[in-house]
Amino acid sequence: QKEVEQDPGPLSVPEGAIVSLNCTYSNSAFQYFMWYRQYSRKGPELLMYTYSSGNKEDGRFTAQVDKSSKYISLFIRDSQPSDSATYLCAMSALSGGYNKLIFGAGTRLAVHP
Amino acid sequence: NAGVTQTPKFQVLKTGQSMTLQCAQDMNHNSMYWYRQDPGMGLRLIYYSASEGTTDKGEVPNGYNVSRLNKREFSLRLESAAPSQTSVYFCASTRGPSGYEQYFGPGTRLTVT
Repeated sequence: QKEVEQDPGPLSVPEGAIVSLNCTYSNSAFQYFMWYRQYSRKGPELLMYTYSSGNKEDGRFTAQVDKSSKYISLFIRDSQPSDSATYLCAMSALSGGYNKLIFGAGTRLAVHP
Repeated sequence: NAGVTQTPKFQVLKTGQSMTLQCAQDMNHNSMYWYRQDPGMGLRLIYYSASEGTTDKGEVPNGYNVSRLNKREFSLRLESAAPSQTSVYFCASTRGPSGYEQYFGPGTRLTVT
């Protein structure tokens, strides 16, 4: 079993829809929970991060962490065609002063006009 | 500010050939990483360098070697390429080994025939 599971999609939604992206994990030691966005043929870039449990909002994006269920989500409100990308969840725990990131496989999202 | 740069962008090798992938960052970051990205597998860590002068194995180090040439540069070498090493390779950096925000380069697409 992988440490981080993520549905690869693809997910296709109309412009303006609310998008929900999710990951589950098995390692209860994870403390940092991140969402990276990767456009086609580009490197990933950090979109949002959350430390421990709770919600975090940034504009149209909301990240949620439920440590009791080992489940994290990213919500995108009023989705735009420019949101079309692959979204990678990533998680980490500090160990020996080193923060090792474990990535999900990524969910491909297409937002059509 | 170029961020993280990688060369080459594309490469085709025959089985058994060798090559070095170059990575440089201009953000004065201490830690650097090499990942490979394969469909359905997410990003997997090959090697990392927590600071200048140190390197350590990641999840999938077999068939690779690395050199942290100085604070800016971290190279990845394939001594005898195999078709299983066909992948997209990403270099990343963070300020320190405990950093959760990794900055990625644009990637190198490698095909081994």
